[in-house]
Amino acid sequence: GEDVEQSLFLSVREGDSSVINCTYTDSSSTYLYWYKQEPGAGLQLLTYIFSNMDMKQDQRLTVLLNKKDKHLSLRIADTQTGDSAIYFCAVSGAGSYQLTFGKGTKLSVIP
Amino acid sequence: KAGVTQTPRYLIKTRGQQVTLSCSPISGHRSVSWYQQTPGQGLQFLFEYFSETQRNKGNFPGRFSGRQFSNSRSEMNVSTLELGDSALYLCASSLTRDGQFFGPGTRLTVL
Repeated sequence: GEDVEQSLFLSVREGDSSVINCTYTDSSSTYLYWYKQEPGAGLQLLTYIFSNMDMKQDQRLTVLLNKKDKHLSLRIADTQTGDSAIYFCAVSGAGSYQLTFGKGTKLSVIP
Repeated sequence: KAGVTQTPRYLIKTRGQQVTLSCSPISGHRSVSWYQQTPGQGLQFLFEYFSETQRNKGNFPGRFSGRQFSNSRSEMNVSTLELGDSALYLCASSLTRDGQFFGPGTRLTVL
């Protein structure tokens, strides 16, 4: 089945850019998502990208998709302390609403 | 527009009991999915319902079941609880595949 991998931890200084990476195995993945989870909370949808796109920008967030390498990244510009959270990459296959998640990357922002 | 609501937010049960969790999707959303989140296994897909029909099911034992009502509200049931069922159970609703919107979750503790 589908497998999604992420590094577990990332630490950045306030004001710097953060880049969170994700790789997946199923080349038929059509929708790819980034979610944010703060302690004690559910998942907040940050953004998504469709598989026929290479890049998507939404305010401070930039998503890059390399379909050949099955690599997805999320760049957060001007990272703030409020961005400290766990970020999950998730993918879904053609015609399916089922999401397969990575284990999550814990982003720590140092003031 | 109100978000996804889940009740109860916290639940403590003992081994062998059964439990029912409830999810009310965002108004107009007909797809409801359930996920289990644990520290060890991460986020795992349980099942997805659309218009009262189960469209997809994850790799969980038959003790886990669900249903969806005509107003799109959904319930999931776990029978004969085991210690390993302790987890955060998340419900998500969606209108299209552009994104699934998650509720705050129900924290189930099995003693």
